[in-house]
Amino acid sequence: AQKITQTQPGMFVQEKEAVTLDCTYDTSDPSYGLFWYKQPSSGEMIFLIYQGSYDQQNATEGRYSLNFQKARKSANLVISASQLGDSAMYFCAMRGGLYNFNKFYFGSGTKLNVKP
Amino acid sequence: EAQVTQNPRYLITVTGKKLTVTCSQNMNHEYMSWYRQDPGLGLRQIYYSMNVEVTDKGDVPEGYKVSRKEKRNFPLILESPSPNQTSLYFCASSPSRGDSPLHFGNGTRLTVT
Repeated sequence: AQKITQTQPGMFVQEKEAVTLDCTYDTSDPSYGLFWYKQPSSGEMIFLIYQGSYDQQNATEGRYSLNFQKARKSANLVISASQLGDSAMYFCAMRGGLYNFNKFYFGSGTKLNVKP
Repeated sequence: EAQVTQNPRYLITVTGKKLTVTCSQNMNHEYMSWYRQDPGLGLRQIYYSMNVEVTDKGDVPEGYKVSRKEKRNFPLILESPSPNQTSLYFCASSPSRGDSPLHFGNGTRLTVT
């Protein structure tokens, strides 16, 4: 069964500090894609970063990086130098590969609060 | 502007009254899908479509119908809504590539009384 687990319902971080949001996944697919989305209080879903299962290097996009540990089936999001505007809900998601290409699976989310 | 447009943004209805939530994308994406978001559960896939006239069930399809008669449109139909379908609904689209992220609409908040 395909599953995404986010074990941190809520987190606080001080402005300008780095924060790691945890994500573990379970899949029987030999290939898959991992995504992180941000949902501000206004409700829209914003794509942040992508990591393919065969990518050798961890993905980075500006202040966002993905700490991908394939053997541990984890894909943690690291936000460096947190800003007040980073306060939002964050979702980890997986797209299946060979066997579940059309399916997307989401975690339950982590609500991040950045303190001034 | 490239976008996914959902309507309406808010909808309050009564049990059993058929409703349709529309979704349209202007990016010529092959893949479209619907999700519901509930507190503590994240987003769950309802239905998806790989192309015109090709649709299939996601993880929570019960009580929903979809159709894909044109590439740009993918409406979600609730033929007999029930209170347990009260939720935030998202439509999304993407190219049919594994590394392509979903582009989401702004969501439809549905309340069934």
